[in-house]
Amino acid sequence: EAGVAQSPRYKIIEKRQSVAFWCNPISGHATLYWYQQILGQGPKLLIQFQNNGVVDDSQLPKDRFSAERLKGVDSTLKIQPAKLEDSAVYLCASSLLRLTYEQYFGPGTRLTVT
Amino acid sequence: QKEVEQDPGPLSVPEGAIVSLNCTYSNSAFQYFMWYRQYSRKGPELLMYTYSSGNKEDGRFTAQVDKSSKYISLFIRDSQPSDSATYLCAITQGGSEKLVFGKGTKLTVNP
Repeated sequence: EAGVAQSPRYKIIEKRQSVAFWCNPISGHATLYWYQQILGQGPKLLIQFQNNGVVDDSQLPKDRFSAERLKGVDSTLKIQPAKLEDSAVYLCASSLLRLTYEQYFGPGTRLTVT
Repeated sequence: QKEVEQDPGPLSVPEGAIVSLNCTYSNSAFQYFMWYRQYSRKGPELLMYTYSSGNKEDGRFTAQVDKSSKYISLFIRDSQPSDSATYLCAITQGGSEKLVFGKGTKLTVNP
């Protein structure tokens, strides 16, 4: 069974530029999550989708971050404009139905904002 | 007070040692308790999860939950160099509620 795929793996941008990350979840997993993991911290949930609807985006900085999950499969997370404090690993995870205690994570995208 | 507290370490042990990793939490409503392992430059992978209090064993790994003390533990027996990773505890109130992660403890097992 293929795991969660993410791209790119690494990205370096300057502050005020925009960036987008892509995620393809495990086939059949209806729930998709985007997390931000700052160095030395645990992952923090940014947004949770159930199929193509948003379940929780309470911790998403909506003035600069946006996410979509068209057709209930792939998802993209965008940052525009980026700030220095956005430097982190962005992790995508998926789970069967809404069983959040059993999530499967992708390898992450390491973003550096200079 | 943070919802989940975890000592970030680092923790360094010799091969074959018994390792104890711990987290404390503040919300007594939490019911599901998970341990994730994260290798360097990889995403976290689910190691074990337990529901409510008690022990759960899987090979060399034992997860323990003490709800009266709001304390969870992961024990690794006969630790191996391949166990070197960051271990994250994660907690949720219900099966479909948001996961709250600890900071993670970095473990190194020396050959």
